[in-house]
Amino acid sequence: DVKVTQSSRYLVKRTGEKVFLECVQDMDHENMFWYRQDPGLGLRLIYFSYDVKMKEKGDIPEGYSVSREKKERFSLILESASTNQTSMYLCASSGASGRVGTGELFFGEGSRLTVL
Amino acid sequence: GQSLEQPSEVTAVEGAIVQINCTYQTSGFYGLSWYQQHDGGAPTFLSYNGLDGLEETGRFSSFLSRSDSYGYLLLQELQMKDSASYFCAVGGIYNQGGKLIFGQGTELSVKP
Repeated sequence: DVKVTQSSRYLVKRTGEKVFLECVQDMDHENMFWYRQDPGLGLRLIYFSYDVKMKEKGDIPEGYSVSREKKERFSLILESASTNQTSMYLCASSGASGRVGTGELFFGEGSRLTVL
Repeated sequence: GQSLEQPSEVTAVEGAIVQINCTYQTSGFYGLSWYQQHDGGAPTFLSYNGLDGLEETGRFSSFLSRSDSYGYLLLQELQMKDSASYFCAVGGIYNQGGKLIFGQGTELSVKP
């Protein structure tokens, strides 16, 4: 089974801190994604990457950056955390082969970040 | 841009059939997917429609009409464990590395 592992399930940070959220997948997937999930707003795409060292902005990239130095790892960085970044962050991956065209993403369990 | 509309809440009783609708507006369309998310859990893939028509997987079916920019998820023989949030999403593996845009989600409550 595909496994997407997010490093921290719960984090509490202070305003202005730099925050790293790590995500690792074990299925050699080309594509990786970071979403945030807020009540009533669904899942909103922050950034995605379709190859090592490649990144593309999603719908809400402001205040975030990402890093993909290795194929299996995709990191989300909050350079200076703010209270409006308190949210659930979900990492996902998908392959360019295998279940081609099915639109299937594999999600991690999520990282719930609270910024005080 | 892309946007999706789905009802925020649906309530049904055990054993019943429920339909969750999804309408979308998108500049490029590569398929409609459905995901299930239980409270506190990760979203999991349920189904995908790349072409018009009905796709059936056990108790769940999904339908797409591209001419109407509309789809639905049909859940039959509802069980208590079906209580969850259901998200429709547009995109696909050929579209920008498999990027998906999600709707706001429909919270399904199944009552005894």
